[in-house]
Amino acid sequence: DGGITQSPKYLFRKEGQNVTLSCEQNLNHDAMYWYRQDPGQGLRLIYYSQIVNDFQKGDIAEGYSVSREKKESFPLTVTSAQKNPTAFYLCASSPSQQGAWTEAFFGQGTRLTVV
Amino acid sequence: GNSVTQMEGPVTLSEEAFLTINCTYTATGYPSLFWYVQYPGEGLQLLLKATKADDKGSNKGFEATYRKETTSFHLEKGSVQVSDSAVYFCALRGAGRRALTFGSGTRLQVQP
Repeated sequence: DGGITQSPKYLFRKEGQNVTLSCEQNLNHDAMYWYRQDPGQGLRLIYYSQIVNDFQKGDIAEGYSVSREKKESFPLTVTSAQKNPTAFYLCASSPSQQGAWTEAFFGQGTRLTVV
Repeated sequence: GNSVTQMEGPVTLSEEAFLTINCTYTATGYPSLFWYVQYPGEGLQLLLKATKADDKGSNKGFEATYRKETTSFHLEKGSVQVSDSAVYFCALRGAGRRALTFGSGTRLQVQP
């Protein structure tokens, strides 16, 4: 089945450590995204990528880094510079239709807890 | 910039009641509009969408009409079920914008 796979589902890390969240898609979508969700809030865009080897900062990129070396993969690293990293992280992808992007398809999310 | 405003929740209804969740937006040009649903501990699932003014998106008994004149995209369902309990997000993709902008979400609780 085609879809977006995020791993792990739950992740615990000590304060000051970097951690990498995995996101893989087999939908052949060009665009991929990372969003952060905090309790009772909407989704905020961290980074997005429209094509391999290219990515753009979103609204809250500070303390995060990404790479897009393959079309299928868009890992997110939460660095020690992120002041409040505990959150639910969602990866998404979008197909391109005639140069325009439409809806986004989401993975199941990774809940990161920093202790 | 683009923004989406949703009614605050939680919205608590009895089974078979009528549902409306309000959503208004601010955007330049003609954005595409979406409703997503999120069940506890899961990612978001696309519920319905509309890409131009006066379009009506519908799915699983839910409907929403793209109203350009009132910049709104309210979600409705005629008879809710307990299984509809979830968080609902309104979102838009603006012209030339490569990512979705989301509202803050509205939690729906349906009681038997």
